[in-house]
Amino acid sequence: AQSVTQPDARVTVSEGASLQLRCKYSYFGTPYLFWYVQYPRQGLQLLLKYYPGDPVVQGVNGFEAEFSKSNSSFHLRKASVHWSDWAVYFCAVSPLASSSFSKLVFGQGTSLSVVP
Amino acid sequence: SVLLYQKPNRDICQSGTSLKIQCVADSQVVSMFWYQQFQEQSLMLMATANEGSEATYESGFTKDKFPISRPNLTFSTLTVNNARPGDSSIYFCSSRQGGFNERLFFGHGTKLSVL
Repeated sequence: AQSVTQPDARVTVSEGASLQLRCKYSYFGTPYLFWYVQYPRQGLQLLLKYYPGDPVVQGVNGFEAEFSKSNSSFHLRKASVHWSDWAVYFCAVSPLASSSFSKLVFGQGTSLSVVP
Repeated sequence: SVLLYQKPNRDICQSGTSLKIQCVADSQVVSMFWYQQFQEQSLMLMATANEGSEATYESGFTKDKFPISRPNLTFSTLTVNNARPGDSSIYFCSSRQGGFNERLFFGHGTKLSVL
């Protein structure tokens, strides 16, 4: 069965510093992969998604993620963090069939704090 | 995009009681989904609700415990029956936008505390 692990429950970075949030997935085959962000008191919003193809995908607000089949990873990166990035970030995996997009399997989430 | 509004934002109830969580979409959507999230854990899909048909439940979730109604294409209600402290979590409704830019949209969540 597919699964997603986000090994870091909490991450704290300084404003302006670079960021990497880790995501490891387990799936037999080629998955669709997603990063969602949850700002305080809001629902989850899609940051970016990976379809089979270019391993580096660009998202909104300067975020990008890199798919690695050999490492079963889909880490999220940002070159310079802003205080408004303070949120919880979720990695998710879905089977390749588009009809299953609803059945995303989410990781536990990583809570990002940004300090001055 | 689809905007989803949930009501209430949070609720506190006594064990053994039932409560309803409403989800309203700003446009018609074919499917609505309900997720459960325990504190600092991942979201778990509870059920899929299509208009005019019985909801489809995932393993570990039942119709008797979590009945879901979907009377039209913009509305759904999740009921938590015989609430227990173990049901304390955040409940999200979600809908799917298909096509080339396929994605899920989420409501802001309803935080339930059962005493």
